Amino acid sequence: SQQGEEDPQALSIQEGENATMNCSYKTSINNLQWYRQNSGRGLVHLILIRSNEREKHSGRLRVTLDTSKKSSSLLITASRAADTASYFCATDSGGGADGLTFGKGTHLIIQP
Amino acid sequence: DAGITQSPRHKVTETGTPVTLRCHQTENHRYMYWYRQDPGHGLRLIHYSYGVKDTDKGEVSDGYSVSRSKTEDFLLTLESATSSQTSVYFCAISPRVADTEAFFGQGTRLTVV
Repeated sequence: SQQGEEDPQALSIQEGENATMNCSYKTSINNLQWYRQNSGRGLVHLILIRSNEREKHSGRLRVTLDTSKKSSSLLITASRAADTASYFCATDSGGGADGLTFGKGTHLIIQP
Repeated sequence: DAGITQSPRHKVTETGTPVTLRCHQTENHRYMYWYRQDPGHGLRLIHYSYGVKDTDKGEVSDGYSVSRSKTEDFLLTLESATSSQTSVYFCAISPRVADTEAFFGQGTRLTVV
């Protein structure tokens, strides 16, 4: 079953604006990860935040994690046309070798 | 890109035929995964492997089998393809069981007619 649920399902903004996507999950986690998928391509890892961390930055990306609310957000600042993609959160429950559980994704469109 | 290659990249097959998809890695990672991606469902785990000849079922394993005879190769077989198995299939690899990112292949688009 899906662990993460992204919100919104689709987001369209103007280039230069900030984009915020949210992820909610159901069970306890070891870490939460965000991935990007460009059309017709595989997923690319963006950032990993551990359960004992509250915020993490990587370039124009900022991720927050609230384990009490079982939610995370991904902020992309100063968006560019090249940021157009689908973004997925994935949870790692740390319970075994069965990998990550992915949400359904947010499709982000950056209008030039 | 991480050294992970899926083949074929595209395939059209008929209902009832067996189909094998191949995932090949050059990273020597222990863990390998097969996911399928469908509109409205995101990625769902089919099978995974935690070593040579060590495999287990994922969330949507019915109608699929896997084999891993070498560290670098993980094969996914659709025993008798059905239209519901039309999907995009992704292979992923990771070096550790937890607390690490996964690296994905480019995907195989399979159409069952």
